[in-house]
This record gives sequence, structure tokens and C-alpha cells, in this order.
Amino acid sequence: EAQVTQNPRYLITVTGKKLTVTCSQNMNHEYMSWYRQDPGLGLRQIYYSMNVEVTDKGDVPEGYKVSRKEKRNFPLILESPSPNQTSLYFCASKLAGGVNEQFFGPGTRLTVL
Amino acid sequence: AQKITQTQPGMFVQEKEAVTLDCTYDTSDPSYGLFWYKQPSSGEMIFLIYQGSYDQQNATEGRYSLNFQKARKSANLVISASQLGDSAMYFCAMGTGNQFYFGTGTSLTVIP
Repeated sequence: EAQVTQNPRYLITVTGKKLTVTCSQNMNHEYMSWYRQDPGLGLRQIYYSMNVEVTDKGDVPEGYKVSRKEKRNFPLILESPSPNQTSLYFCASKLAGGVNEQFFGPGTRLTVL
Repeated sequence: AQKITQTQPGMFVQEKEAVTLDCTYDTSDPSYGLFWYKQPSSGEMIFLIYQGSYDQQNATEGRYSLNFQKARKSANLVISASQLGDSAMYFCAMGTGNQFYFGTGTSLTVIP
């Protein structure tokens, strides 16, 4: 089944404790992206990657890191999480070339205490 | 600046009636795509419909149609014959270049 998976689905952590949210897709998509969703703000793009070893900032990259060492994986790293990073996070992927549909993962609900 | 605006925080519609969800966008790029996603209470993002900036005809997908008015920079979603399962949050989004921008969403409630 074609899908984007995220782990963990739920995470409660404390300020300053480094964490990684994994994202993997099995559709051989070149493009992958991370979003955060906050009430009243919709989804905002954090980082995106056009292909392996190619990443770029979205609208809200501060406090986040990403890496793209393999085509299928695009982990999101919070090196020193803060309470304002409490949010619902989505990973998405799509084929490169043109503006086309993104496929979203199920979301990761993160709470930073 | 790239921007998507959804001015209706909440909407109600009677079952079997049609409803229009508004979306306006702002971009100076000639090439862009417009999307609508549905987010039910379970949280997943479900793709509904896509319209390219160069498409001459309005996109349709089953009960969903996108009313694309390029000069007005609007991309309204029309849902015909509403069903109880249509109750959800709806997001308008624009893709341009390598980035995507989402609106703040409209919460739709279908009344039996």
C-alpha cells in the first residue's frame, strides 16, 4: 500500500530534550516536506526536500533541523524543543516536477512541557 | 508575499444541499497550483481536488468542483449534495515553486 508513515504518532517530552520524528514514504517520491498545524493558523511549511541531500527552509524553520540521506526517509529533528513547538506535525511527499498532489502522513502530535 | 485566505471559520449546510467554501490567494508567480484538502476529526489530510493555474476548465471530482476565477484570484470549493460525512475541516492550499501555503481552514458542519 502506497503510504507515508510517521513515528511516533504521539509524543510528550520536556523542554530541551532532543527528539526526532521519523517520516518514510514508499512511493519513490523525490519531494518531501514537513508542516506544523496550529489552531487558527492552518498548516505551515517547516522544511522541504527536493531530493537526497537537497533541503530548504519553508516558512517556519526556526528550531528545527532535517536531513535527507535516503530518498524514502526525511526525519525532523528538534535539538532543544520548547513549549512553543507543541503542535501537530505532518510529513508529506510528492513526485518532483510541477505542482502536484502531496500525500500526507497521519500526523504526529507533539507536546513539549 | 504568498498568501491564502479563507474567510469563513465555520459553515453550516443542510444535508443534500450544496455549499461553497471560499478561498482567495495571492501570488505573483504565473505558474501555481491550487488544492483543497479535507481534515476529518480523526486528523488525517485527505486530498480532494486540484486546479493548475493554466487550466482552462474548472476542476471537478465527483461531488467536488473548484470554481477557479483567475482574475479575482479565487478558488472556491463547491460541494454538491452534502452528506453527513462531509462534516470536517477544509483547507485551501497553493503550491508555487517548491513551496506550499495553506489557509486557516473552514469548519463545515452538515445538519441532518
